[in-house]
Amino acid sequence: EAEVAQSPRYKITEKSQAVAFWCDPISGHATLYWYRQILGQGPELLVQFQDESVVDDSQLPKDRFSAERLKGVDSTLKIQPAELGDSAMYLCASSPVRNEQYFGPGTRLTVT
Amino acid sequence: KNEVEQSPQNLTAQEGEFITINCSYSVGISALHWLQQHPGGGIVSLFMLSSGKKKHGRLIATINIQEKHSSLHITASHPRDSAVYICAVRPNTDKLIFGTGTRLQVFP
Repeated sequence: EAEVAQSPRYKITEKSQAVAFWCDPISGHATLYWYRQILGQGPELLVQFQDESVVDDSQLPKDRFSAERLKGVDSTLKIQPAELGDSAMYLCASSPVRNEQYFGPGTRLTVT
Repeated sequence: KNEVEQSPQNLTAQEGEFITINCSYSVGISALHWLQQHPGGGIVSLFMLSSGKKKHGRLIATINIQEKHSSLHITASHPRDSAVYICAVRPNTDKLIFGTGTRLQVFP
């Protein structure tokens, strides 16, 4: 069964360092989402792609976060520089157009 | 006030018990999702509802659009059902609005 892949699964980094996460959506899914989930809270959308275009990045802290999906397939989310408050689970999801979202296993980030 | 409210926040049960988790929302929606998140973090979609009721194995999800309320029921609960259950609604966009989740622990 096709799955959304994410790597790494866990990342520990020091504050002020750069960190990057990778997501490979289910083949054929045009829409890709990056979410941040702080412990004890529901996921919060950071950025949504339709193919290679950003549809919604209104909640992305653009001074330190960036996201790209250059060929409309896999995607990278970067944080530079990381801050203590960025410690969270970063989830990627993909979906066919306007349909159910399929989530990846997530990357748990700890900033020390 | 959150647009999606879940209750209870935490729930413990003995194996075999019938469990209900509730979700209320305040916006117009095109669909409601029930998701399951295990301690490792990955999220699995259980149901997507726009009306009525759906059943999958021991799980049942219902929605009342007029009352803006949905319930997730687990019959004959089992320790492997222990997880966080998240309600998410989709207004008339692609964006999901998530509840904060209900943490369920089922003890043998």
